[in-house]
Amino acid sequence: DTAVSQTPKYLVTQMGNDKSIKCEQNLGHDTMYWYKQDSKKFLKIMFSYNNKELIINETVPNRFSPKSPDKAHLNLHINSLELGDSAVYFCASSPDSLMGSGSPLHFGNGTRLTVT
Amino acid sequence: GQNIDQPTEMTATEGAIVQINCTYQTSGFNGLFWYQQHAGEAPTFLSYNVLDGLEEKGRFSSFLSRSKGYSYLLLKELQMKDSASYLCAVRDSSSGSARQLTFGSGTQLTVLP
Repeated sequence: DTAVSQTPKYLVTQMGNDKSIKCEQNLGHDTMYWYKQDSKKFLKIMFSYNNKELIINETVPNRFSPKSPDKAHLNLHINSLELGDSAVYFCASSPDSLMGSGSPLHFGNGTRLTVT
Repeated sequence: GQNIDQPTEMTATEGAIVQINCTYQTSGFNGLFWYQQHAGEAPTFLSYNVLDGLEEKGRFSSFLSRSKGYSYLLLKELQMKDSASYLCAVRDSSSGSARQLTFGSGTQLTVLP
């Protein structure tokens, strides 16, 4: 199936731990993103990579570090987890072109992170 | 920066028509998107507007007025499965990357039998 897939779907961990979320897309897209959706359902951009290069880095604590080994993968590593990091994290991808249908984002199914 | 406003909640009856409004303020408008998100699932793309006017796609239509900073999503012949959150998102060419989308907080639509 062509899709954006991320793992794990659920992640429960304690404060202070380090965890990673993986994302892969087989849509052939050049741009990948990490979004955070909080309890109020706001979807907020965290990072964007285009062909393995970081192009967006919003105001995110440096405990969050994205890594893109190739243009089909964008992983998110989080150090020293805090209670406020609890949220749903969505990976997404889009074609590089800004023409046509507007290059909609294709989202993964999300990773629900709970920090206790 | 951008401000995107949409109602928090709406309720409608099966078979009816509902209009979900979105207003935005942006310095470099470069397209508006509507997404549907069912509880516990990923947002899925519904529609895209970059020029003024109405875009129709089956039961769903989306309208844009750039001069008013206004869009709406129109859902016809509502079905129970349309109960979901509807997210308005704006692309701003003046942001760090023209690929960046800024999302509103979503409108939770409940369709009643």
